Amino acid sequence: QVQLVQSGAEVKKPGASVKVSCKASGYTFTSHYLHWVRQAPGQGLEWMGIINPSGGATSYAQKFQGRVTMTSDTSTSTVYMELTSLRSEDTAVYYCARDFELQQLGGFDYWGQGTRVTVSS
Amino acid sequence: QLAVTQSPSASASLGTSVKLTCTLSSGHSRFPIAWHQQRPEKGPRYLMKINSDGSHNKGDGIPGRFSGSSSGAERYLTISSLQSEDEADYFCQTWGNGINVVFGGGTKLTVL
Repeated sequence: QVQLVQSGAEVKKPGASVKVSCKASGYTFTSHYLHWVRQAPGQGLEWMGIINPSGGATSYAQKFQGRVTMTSDTSTSTVYMELTSLRSEDTAVYYCARDFELQQLGGFDYWGQGTRVTVSS
Repeated sequence: QLAVTQSPSASASLGTSVKLTCTLSSGHSRFPIAWHQQRPEKGPRYLMKINSDGSHNKGDGIPGRFSGSSSGAERYLTISSLQSEDEADYFCQTWGNGINVVFGGGTKLTVL
């Protein structure tokens, strides 16, 4: 069965960086794009960007350009999301999600369990 | 600009049906959408994709009580025989216009 397993919770100080991992299993890792989405406390879902694990091409939401980097490691079927220059507004649960289309943009059919990132001095 | 809008809240009684609506922005009425459920303190769960012709593809293990339909720029999620476990936030999502993914603000469903 398809699973996306994310790394554990993080607490960071303002100005620091955080790197969250998402390990995929149960399907051919390079066949589906993976996305990152975040959810601030009590808020809705916010799309951050997408990575094609086959080749590593990325596209980021304008809001995060310059601060986010998404990478993939095909040897471990893992994608990473690094967010720099953290501020309190980045406190949120970060999710990875699999695109249900094969090598094209679509909706999401599987979600990771989420990683809570707290930014506090 | 690609966007989807949802009513912030809905309610219905146990055992009845409820229909949630997701409305696509002007000029995007033929776009597909996906519905996701998020129970309290849990992560999102994919329910189904709905196309402009009303055809839909459900996620693994989604009960038959959940169905989807479409009319113009509106995409619907109908939940019949409501159970207490259906009390959750429901988000719709669409994508396109280049590489862009957008979510609605979510509908909080209360089961009375």
